[in-house]
Amino acid sequence: DAKTTQPNSMESNEEEPVHLPCNHSTISGTDYIHWYRQLPSQGPEYVIHGLTSNVNNRMASLAIAEDRKSSTLILHRATLRDAAVYYCIDNNNDMRFGAGTRLTVKP
Amino acid sequence: GAGVSQSPSNKVTEKGKDVELRCDPISGHTALYWYRQSLGQGLEFLIYFQGNSAPDKSGLPSDRFSAERTGGSVSTLTIQRTQQEDSAVYLCASSRGTGTGGAGSDYEQYFGPGTRLTVT
Repeated sequence: DAKTTQPNSMESNEEEPVHLPCNHSTISGTDYIHWYRQLPSQGPEYVIHGLTSNVNNRMASLAIAEDRKSSTLILHRATLRDAAVYYCIDNNNDMRFGAGTRLTVKP
Repeated sequence: GAGVSQSPSNKVTEKGKDVELRCDPISGHTALYWYRQSLGQGLEFLIYFQGNSAPDKSGLPSDRFSAERTGGSVSTLTIQRTQQEDSAVYLCASSRGTGTGGAGSDYEQYFGPGTRLTVT
């Protein structure tokens, strides 16, 4: 079973920021938090990962709660191309994906 | 460099036949994962190989499913006596996977294009 919980779906308007939440209440001290996304008809692709500090890359930002029990993936300006299923995973070796959050971006 | 490759890209088989799906991971990656994804559904974990350790087979749905990884590289997923509910896209992923204590980037999974299996 997946160790993370995410909302099934979210909607956003194009050009607006999107905050995708994830709860990982059973995370251990050395587990990294990973985010992937799966575009329609494609395999999953890596988005970002972090341990304790917030992280930024060209795709997104990752905000990690101080207690590490939750994290938020931030897309600063959603585009139509960002419509995908977003998965968060909190275990290094047992990378079992949950159902993820299906993000719909409206023009 | 070359990414993860899978073959065949599409496979149509009759119910009851055996099929073999192949995955070529990225060279040097010690961890290899198999998943399947039914239409409109999320990823379902099947099996995980890490180096020379015994594989984690806990996701295999039945004893008709088996997988092996020869020489720590290529992996084959075998489905015996296929059933219609086996129809799905089968995805393979690999990562550097240092076991424990590695950096987060060691666990980044690179996915192959998948094999679409249709059982008629």
